[in-house]
Amino acid sequence: GAGVSQSPRYKVAKRGQDVALRCDPISGHVSLFWYQQALGQGPEFLTYFQNEAQLDKSGLPSDRFFAERPEGSVSTLKIQRTQQEDSAVYLCASSYPGTAKSEQYFGPGTRLTVT
Amino acid sequence: KQEVTQIPAALSVPEGENLVLNCSFTDSAIYNLQWFRQDPGKGLTSLLLIQSSQREQTSGRLNASLDKSSGRSTLYIAASQPGDSATYLCAVTPRGSQGNLIFGKGTKLSVKP
Repeated sequence: GAGVSQSPRYKVAKRGQDVALRCDPISGHVSLFWYQQALGQGPEFLTYFQNEAQLDKSGLPSDRFFAERPEGSVSTLKIQRTQQEDSAVYLCASSYPGTAKSEQYFGPGTRLTVT
Repeated sequence: KQEVTQIPAALSVPEGENLVLNCSFTDSAIYNLQWFRQDPGKGLTSLLLIQSSQREQTSGRLNASLDKSSGRSTLYIAASQPGDSATYLCAVTPRGSQGNLIFGKGTKLSVKP
């Protein structure tokens, strides 16, 4: 019964570098969400998976952001050619069953700093 | 477009006080509303989930109410303790969405011993 885990917890990248952020949802959870939280703000939705299918990516801020969940469990959020405005905490959440009404459980987040 | 507002942005109270945090949302077409707690450098901990058909939920010293028609929710904390110090976020799930949450900016609570 572990909760949602994310790695790394902290990442410093130089502008222009690519980064990959990992999310391990609660075992058996169908739905997986990624959110971006800028300093002093509430989290903002990035993308949603139901099992391995990415059903909504409307929140991804640019084509530099890419997410995958190939086997319906672990998910990776990749940011290419990082920019300073990408500095934020990236939160992952999962829920079961895969309905819009389900309670979401959040991981501790990855704090990304782009220098 | 759904917008969520939380007032006040920050609140400081002495230990033992009862307090109320406010959340308002612009579109009443929601599946549910959720209150979270966020400690510095940590993720979000779910406190209470109120489905759209419900009026309130209680957990220990916490009570959350929902008035969907007026677009308001309150989180009531009884007998506050220093350990309650954190940022409290409310979020709604818009009806018709896949479940993605729309968050307010949070209320930063400080309970002084």
